[in-house]
Amino acid sequence: DAKTTQPNSMESNEEEPVHLPCNHSTISGTDYIHWYRQLPSQGPEYVIHGLTSNVNNRMASLAIAEDRKSSTLILHRATLRDAAVYYCIPSQGGSEKLVFGKGTKLTVNP
Amino acid sequence: KAGVTQTPRYLIKTRGQQVTLSCSPISGHRSVSWYQQTPGQGLQFLFEYFSETQRNKGNFPGRFSGRQFSNSRSEMNVSTLELGDSALYLCASSYDRGIYEQYFGPGTRLTVT
Repeated sequence: DAKTTQPNSMESNEEEPVHLPCNHSTISGTDYIHWYRQLPSQGPEYVIHGLTSNVNNRMASLAIAEDRKSSTLILHRATLRDAAVYYCIPSQGGSEKLVFGKGTKLTVNP
Repeated sequence: KAGVTQTPRYLIKTRGQQVTLSCSPISGHRSVSWYQQTPGQGLQFLFEYFSETQRNKGNFPGRFSGRQFSNSRSEMNVSTLELGDSALYLCASSYDRGIYEQYFGPGTRLTVT
């Protein structure tokens, strides 16, 4: 399993963009990069995933470095509801096993 | 579409007892995974079931077991409960094996006294 490094915590103001970094320097060539988040008192929630190209969906954007050793989750306009722990998870294609690290706790200030 | 449901939501058991937790995946989802979440160890993968077969297993003792039924519903069982088994047990379902997003239930909070 690839190791990940994420900041323990980050803070943002409401309606501002947030860039959440993740280092995964030991990622293998077939690992996808998944991002999940866990809001307080809830189960984790899928955010986005990608392999090599940058990806966008209604929740966020995922920017993947050319060497795939790092990625950045971008929330374009943070809301109070985005306050959560964000997990970056490299995962092998075909495997349902998600290895969660400690994640980044995002605080959004009104 | 209804989300992943887990029953019961809260449970208190005594050391040495056994417990069975239930998970109903989203309709049409065939893969079910289980995770344990504790303050000390975070979220840890327990096992995954697909087509009634365990496909992947985490690093947990044999006291933790599970099964999946033909309708994709899944149960996990913990025998001879220990205090350290107190945790939030989360179930996640996905449409198929592979690169599909997993949808998590609200979890079952197990307290062992």
